Amino acid sequence: DIVMTQSPDSLAVSLGERATITCKSSQSILSSSNNKNFLAWFQQKPGQPPKLLIYWASTRESGVPDRFRGSGSGTDFTLTISSLQAEDVAVYYCQQYYTTLWTFGQGTKVEIK
Amino acid sequence: VQLVESGGGLARPGGSLRLSCAASGFNFGNAWMNWVRQAPGKGPEWVGHIRKKGDGGTTDYAAPVKGRFTISRDDSRTTVYLQMNSLKVEDTAVYYCVTMDFRWGQGTLVTVSS
Repeated sequence: DIVMTQSPDSLAVSLGERATITCKSSQSILSSSNNKNFLAWFQQKPGQPPKLLIYWASTRESGVPDRFRGSGSGTDFTLTISSLQAEDVAVYYCQQYYTTLWTFGQGTKVEIK
Repeated sequence: VQLVESGGGLARPGGSLRLSCAASGFNFGNAWMNWVRQAPGKGPEWVGHIRKKGDGGTTDYAAPVKGRFTISRDDSRTTVYLQMNSLKVEDTAVYYCVTMDFRWGQGTLVTVSS
């Protein structure tokens, strides 16, 4: 199985400041057939299912604010929230779908400092 | 897209439960469907999937549930099922059905406890 490792486990950021979460996969999730990275980012708030933010590592889902940006390739990926808003307090997960046996990172809890 | 899970509840260790996920708003018959669970305070864990009939309708499972859980589908009812047997305390989680383009239901809670 592909192991997904996120860091940090939690971070506290002031309102309006940048939040950066990294995700590392145990093997490359870049497909040579379509040159795409099979990596998604989700946001989860208490009592809710995960919500898709980013897919193909850097494509924002419709309706997701442009302060959310995904980047990276191969085995190393980043989710950046450029200017943290109060409504962004949540747990964020990365997920690989390079194999149909999906695996998720352990999550990063984002709070307001 | 709407996914509505049901069938969760309290089960004893060694017991069984059957979850359902009623789908609407997309071409269900042409879709692979996944079950993903999330234990309290933990990250999501993929449980298994079922392919569309056109791809054989076959299933794959995560190692912790293989041999105990079975996924099936009824395309006429646009519903996917998760039959859970020989339940363990560590199967306690919210169970979600999820499409291959990452649409999630609201989930149903399964608690395994004596």
